[in-house]
Amino acid sequence: GENVEQHPSTLSVQEGDSAVIKCTYSDSASNYFPWYKQELGKRPQLIIDIRSNVGEKKDQRIAVTLNKTAKHFSLHITETQPEDSAVYFCAASIKGSNYQLIWGAGTKLIIKP
Amino acid sequence: DVKVTQSSRYLVKRTGEKVFLECVQDMDHENMFWYRQDPGLGLRLIYFSYDVKMKEKGDIPEGYSVSREKKERFSLILESASTNQTSMYLCASQTTEGVQYFGPGTRLTVL
Repeated sequence: GENVEQHPSTLSVQEGDSAVIKCTYSDSASNYFPWYKQELGKRPQLIIDIRSNVGEKKDQRIAVTLNKTAKHFSLHITETQPEDSAVYFCAASIKGSNYQLIWGAGTKLIIKP
Repeated sequence: DVKVTQSSRYLVKRTGEKVFLECVQDMDHENMFWYRQDPGLGLRLIYFSYDVKMKEKGDIPEGYSVSREKKERFSLILESASTNQTSMYLCASQTTEGVQYFGPGTRLTVL
């Protein structure tokens, strides 16, 4: 069946440095790729998403890139800050499913002061 | 501002008990989802519903059932709770563009 692989499972970066999280998906018909952030003890919240007709999208310090040929997409966070510490989940839509999502296992991002 | 609420934040039940988890959204969304979240396994879909009285199995439906009698309310039922159902349960409501809004979660412990 369809799956989404997410790497790394844990990422530790120095405050101010950049962080990159990568996901690969198996369903070539996937066309919607959101990223969610879950802070400790809180609910997941959408931080950025991209659709298959776009290769890159930016929102301040956050960007997502999509390579449909290789079936992978990445989250880039620049100038990391302590409040970026959280678990990040990627997801990909399933074809014909009215936006049912397949989720990655999550990446725990640790920002070191 | 989308609001998704869940009936309990923490719940402790005994093996064999019937458990009801309720989710309510106030944005008239058609699609609603129930996930369980376990460390290292991400979000696994239990059931989802795309309309009143409509439901579809997700990846791990065994041991669970759902009910959607009203558009704003989606209930998850554990017919006979077991210890391996101890987990965090998250409900989500989805816009027509695919954005999912999550409830605060219910941490269920089955003893």
